[in-house]
Amino acid sequence: DAKTTQPPSMDCAEGRAANLPCNHSTISGNEYVYWYRQIHSQGPQYIIHGLKNNETNEMASLIITEDRKSSTLILPHATLRDTAVYYCIATTGNQFYFGTGTSLTVIP
Amino acid sequence: NAGVTQTPKFQVLKTGQSMTLQCAQDMNHNSMYWYRQDPGMGLRLIYYSASEGTTDKGEVPNGYNVSRLNKREFSLRLESAAPSQTSVYFCASIYTGGHDAFFGQGTRLTVV
Repeated sequence: DAKTTQPPSMDCAEGRAANLPCNHSTISGNEYVYWYRQIHSQGPQYIIHGLKNNETNEMASLIITEDRKSSTLILPHATLRDTAVYYCIATTGNQFYFGTGTSLTVIP
Repeated sequence: NAGVTQTPKFQVLKTGQSMTLQCAQDMNHNSMYWYRQDPGMGLRLIYYSASEGTTDKGEVPNGYNVSRLNKREFSLRLESAAPSQTSVYFCASIYTGGHDAFFGQGTRLTVV
């Protein structure tokens, strides 16, 4: 699985868009980009995934660069409940290796 | 629909004691996983099972054994607990070919 690099922490004002970057420069053609988040000490929660195209669901949008070497998770209108650690994972889907993620704090 | 259920939720062991962490899922998923998470760290994969009857090592398998008892259940055993195994343990499952893994609420284990 490709290694991913994320900033350790970010802040975002409540109601604004949160843009979380992820670098995965060694990603291979059959590896998806996944995003999970972990609120407090709960089990991680799936957010979204993508292969090449940009994806959107009810939780977030995923923007993947054309060369697939980086991606951005967008929470369009961050709320206090979005404060969590966000993990970016590049994998074929058989195994999920979590790094240390980005700790997002949404500020009132 | 319970999803992924882990038992126990909390446990304190003395060094050298053994115990088994239980995990069960009711979503008919093929693949199951065990992770550990140390304070301030991300999750690290201990073992996984791609299907009933198969298990494979992850990043940090030393000191652990697993059993995929049937499609629903995947247990993690500590034969001789050590303080370094103090951690929060998470079980997860996913349907083969699926993209959204489901996690349990964790087992908080302290080894003194």
